[in-house]
Amino acid sequence: NAGVMQNPRHLVRRRGQEARLRCSPMKGHSHVYWYRQLPEEGLKFMVYLQKENIIDESGMPKERFSAEFPKEGPSILRIQQVVRGDSAAYFCASSPPGTGVSDTQYFGPGTRLTVL
Amino acid sequence: QKEVEQDPGPLSVPEGAIVSLNCTYSNSAFQYFMWYRQYSRKGPELLMYTYSSGNKEDGRFTAQVDKSSKYISLFIRDSQPSDSATYLCAMRGGGSNYKLTFGKGTLLTVNP
Repeated sequence: NAGVMQNPRHLVRRRGQEARLRCSPMKGHSHVYWYRQLPEEGLKFMVYLQKENIIDESGMPKERFSAEFPKEGPSILRIQQVVRGDSAAYFCASSPPGTGVSDTQYFGPGTRLTVL
Repeated sequence: QKEVEQDPGPLSVPEGAIVSLNCTYSNSAFQYFMWYRQYSRKGPELLMYTYSSGNKEDGRFTAQVDKSSKYISLFIRDSQPSDSATYLCAMRGGGSNYKLTFGKGTLLTVNP
């Protein structure tokens, strides 16, 4: 059973460009979460999605950031007009449907975004 | 006051030592508590998952939760060089509140 897959693993963008980060959850998992890890900071929650629905986006910056999890295909985290402060590691996690221990979040390897 | 406080270390111990890692938190709504291990430039890997107060043991790892003190701990017995990593505590509320709140992580080095 393949784990959570993220691509690309490394992404370099110039200021003002768009960044698209992809996440394929583990097989059987219908919940996807995105977290950001800034240098010297802990992981910070950004958004929680289920298929075709955004459940909680309380951690998303109000501008330039968006996320989707379509019926078919991977979840996408999109950052428009990137700035240097967006440079970070972005982690996706997935969990199966349900509550309690069964909703353990499993993390992918991350995408490291560098904005020049 | 941050919701979750974790001493970033670094912590350096000799092989075979008992390691104690801990976090404190301020949000009394937290009910589920986790420890993740993160190797350099990798994704976090779940080590322990506990619900409410009490102890849980898994091999060389023991997790303790004291909700009355808002304090959680991870103990590693007979530490190995392969345990060298950053250890992250994480916690969340109950019900449909799935958002994890993490500590900053403690960098552990186990010297052979």
